[in-house]
Amino acid sequence: QVQLQESGPGLVKPSQTLSLTCTVSGGSISSGGYYWSWIRQHPGKGLEWIGYLYNSGSTYYNPSLKSRVTISVDTSKNQFSLELSSVTAADTAIYYCARERPRGTTKGGFDYWGQGALVTVSS
Amino acid sequence: DIQMTQSPSTLSASIGDRVTITCRASQTIGSWLAWYQQKPGKAPKLLIYKASSLESGVPSRFSGSGSGTEFTLTISSLQPDDFVTYYCQQYNGYPWTFGQGTKVEIK
Repeated sequence: QVQLQESGPGLVKPSQTLSLTCTVSGGSISSGGYYWSWIRQHPGKGLEWIGYLYNSGSTYYNPSLKSRVTISVDTSKNQFSLELSSVTAADTAIYYCARERPRGTTKGGFDYWGQGALVTVSS
Repeated sequence: DIQMTQSPSTLSASIGDRVTITCRASQTIGSWLAWYQQKPGKAPKLLIYKASSLESGVPSRFSGSGSGTEFTLTISSLQPDDFVTYYCQQYNGYPWTFGQGTKVEIK
């Protein structure tokens, strides 16, 4: 059973960089052809896809956040990370990491999610 | 970006009711649509993928249909656990986008 767990600071000051790590257990992040994504949810609002990491190196980011986002991987720890720079109060949200199945063989969809990490941007 | 519009935003129903939630895409997305259920304080849970395929372990009272730009999620007989929020998500064109959510409330 695959499990994902987010970790990182719950409070970040404006203009600083938000950093979160997702630890994956029950499966290797570098095998299986899955996409490893970050998704956020503003308090009481809907879901926003941030971007993905694929095949231990390829990334794709939501254009709305692209200039501020970096997703990276540490295969030795079976972790992937999110960095979001120059944060403002508008970046206050619950951040989820999730595994997405490829469309071709397994028809897609985010099938495993972390429990979510609330990050508040405030001085 | 492909805009996903769900209706209604809130739905009031009773236990045992059959309910339908609609999701419309701003452009055609084929069948590349997923439905998720989110309980308060929890991560979303995948219910339906590729518009109509039931995810393993999901009760058969949930079903999905549609293609192109119009999709539906149907719950054939509402159970107490189903009174939560549902989201659609397209994965035909990047960036992936979600609907704004439909909250199912007890009437």
